[in-house]
Amino acid sequence: GENVEQHPSTLSVQEGDSAVIKCTYSDSASNYFPWYKQELGKRPQLIIDIRSNVGEKKDQRIAVTLNKTAKHFSLHITETQPEDSAVYFCAASKSRNNDMRFGAGTRLTVKP
Amino acid sequence: EAQVTQNPRYLITVTGKKLTVTCSQNMNHEYMSWYRQDPGLGLRQIYYSMNVEVTDKGDVPEGYKVSRKEKRNFPLILESPSPNQTSLYFCASSPTGGTGELFFGEGSRLTVL
Repeated sequence: GENVEQHPSTLSVQEGDSAVIKCTYSDSASNYFPWYKQELGKRPQLIIDIRSNVGEKKDQRIAVTLNKTAKHFSLHITETQPEDSAVYFCAASKSRNNDMRFGAGTRLTVKP
Repeated sequence: EAQVTQNPRYLITVTGKKLTVTCSQNMNHEYMSWYRQDPGLGLRQIYYSMNVEVTDKGDVPEGYKVSRKEKRNFPLILESPSPNQTSLYFCASSPTGGTGELFFGEGSRLTVL
């Protein structure tokens, strides 16, 4: 089955700097790659996703890139703000009828 | 308001005492799933359901049961809870199954003594 690995497990940046979180997946048939943000004590919420027919997607300060050949995808957050502090999860799935596998999460801390 | 509702939100129980965590969604989603969240392990899927009367095992189904008799409800049953099932549990639903946004409930923190 699919295996998703996420790095780093913790990341600390200064406010205004950029943050990058990387994930690799094992199943070349996977075609949907979402990123979820979980604030302390809250539920995970989708922040951005990408499908395998696209190499990059942006939404204001966040972007996701996908390298299908290398089977990895990354989350980029620019101009980080303290409210970006949270745990971020990547995930991968391959079809409507399949389960979604999550990475172990990255705890991002943005220092003011 | 569109939402996924879990109950109870917090529960402390003892080994072997059967319990059920309920999950209900009001968005008419076909797909529902249960995850457990443990430190350093992320979100691991327990069971998922593509539709009424259709359920499948996820990564960590041992010790759990589910049922999907109605589209809106997907209860998680722990027949004989053990301490290693102490965890934070999330129910989620999606309109497009495994290839779309998951809408999570608020979570249920379970402690088994």
